[in-house]
Amino acid sequence: SYELTQPPSVSVSPGQTASITCSGDNLGNKYACWYQQKPGQSPVLVIYQDNKRPSGIPERFSGSNSGNTATLTISGTQAMDEADYYCQAWDSSTPYVFGTGTKVTVL
Amino acid sequence: QVRLVQSGAEVKKPGASVKVSCKASGYTFTNSAMHWVRQAPGQRLEWLGWINAGNGNTEYSQKFQDRVIITRDTSASTAYMELSSLRSEDTAVYYCARPSLAVAGHFEYWGQGTLVTVSS
Repeated sequence: SYELTQPPSVSVSPGQTASITCSGDNLGNKYACWYQQKPGQSPVLVIYQDNKRPSGIPERFSGSNSGNTATLTISGTQAMDEADYYCQAWDSSTPYVFGTGTKVTVL
Repeated sequence: QVRLVQSGAEVKKPGASVKVSCKASGYTFTNSAMHWVRQAPGQRLEWLGWINAGNGNTEYSQKFQDRVIITRDTSASTAYMELSSLRSEDTAVYYCARPSLAVAGHFEYWGQGTLVTVSS
């Protein structure tokens, strides 16, 4: 089965840039999206189709996907961005698969 | 606005079944699909399957296809997920999630989650 791997944790200082990677075989040939999940809450979509932001998501969230790696970048990280982040991949032949999750800590 | 409201927490014994509901509002229920995703404590999200709310067709994850049934009631704009032969490892929060109407591959809206606890 298809696997997506993320680093368990990323630490960032307020105002700095956080980058979260998601690795999977030929991930660049699939659509990648990202969810933010705060404790006790449902996931929230922050990036879809590799690099598109849903309405209401701040511009500091951006995404890319190429080769075997998708990346979520949070520019000018704020305390409110502290959360778990999950990548997810999809194409017509791959059922919905989620990454292992990354805890972002804003120090 | 789109809302997905799920049924309340459940406690079940091993071997039992559980049925979770998800009532949709704010859009035409039969124009979309409903997926079910679960999250065990401290674990990643895990996809169980989905139903085409229009024609009732379903697709399940290979891991769960022998134990999960997803149905819908169009008159009530409600989707259901039933998981049978429960074991302790099925203790998790179960979410319904609606995909985008325009673009496939991601979930735009999520229910609030239903905690299912399996314990003897």
